Amino acid sequence: DVVLTQTPPTLSATIGQSVSISCRSSQSLLHSNGNTYLHWLLQRPGQSPQLLIYSVSRLESGVPNRFSGSGSGTDFTLKISGVEAEDLGVYYCVQGTHAPYTFGAGTKLELK
Amino acid sequence: EVLLQQSGAELVRPGSSVKISCKASGYTFTDYYMHWVKQRPEQGLVWIGRINPANGNTVYAEKFKSKATLTADKSSNTAYMQLSSLTSEDTATYFCTTWGWGYWGQGVMVTVSS
Repeated sequence: DVVLTQTPPTLSATIGQSVSISCRSSQSLLHSNGNTYLHWLLQRPGQSPQLLIYSVSRLESGVPNRFSGSGSGTDFTLKISGVEAEDLGVYYCVQGTHAPYTFGAGTKLELK
Repeated sequence: EVLLQQSGAELVRPGSSVKISCKASGYTFTDYYMHWVKQRPEQGLVWIGRINPANGNTVYAEKFKSKATLTADKSSNTAYMQLSSLTSEDTATYFCTTWGWGYWGQGVMVTVSS
């Protein structure tokens, strides 16, 4: 199975600070069809996860453009350019290239 | 508007089975896979498997092959997951999600306790 390693496990930030989360895969997530199915989710406390970024860098509809994704192959990054209070929660990367699909362990974003 | 409405919380006995549902609306049910995800209290997300509602084809994570059974009813636009031989390890919230992880149900809390 593909292992997704997220770092850091916890992130403390002030409002307005820019932060990045890394997601590294144990194997390439480039699918044979040319797409890379690496996505980013945010789970706020007590809520279902929500999709932020799909296919590495595509912003889901309705998601603020302070969120951005980048990367390729095995190395991916989610960046938040100017954290806001509503961004607090746990961020997960998830891969849909190789079954069984797998999630990273999560990065908890807290206020400093 | 796409909605995934899941059934209510369950309290079940060890060794029993439970079947939870996920009713889809606002899109063509057969156009997208339905995935199921497990989240134990204060822990991360684990993929259980997925079903193609158009033809019933399923793919499971290895550890859930003898635990979960996924089905879908096209007539009612509802996906189901049955969990069998329940133990305390199955106490968790179970989510359905579709459209490439873009839509999620509200989750079903299953508590296994005697």
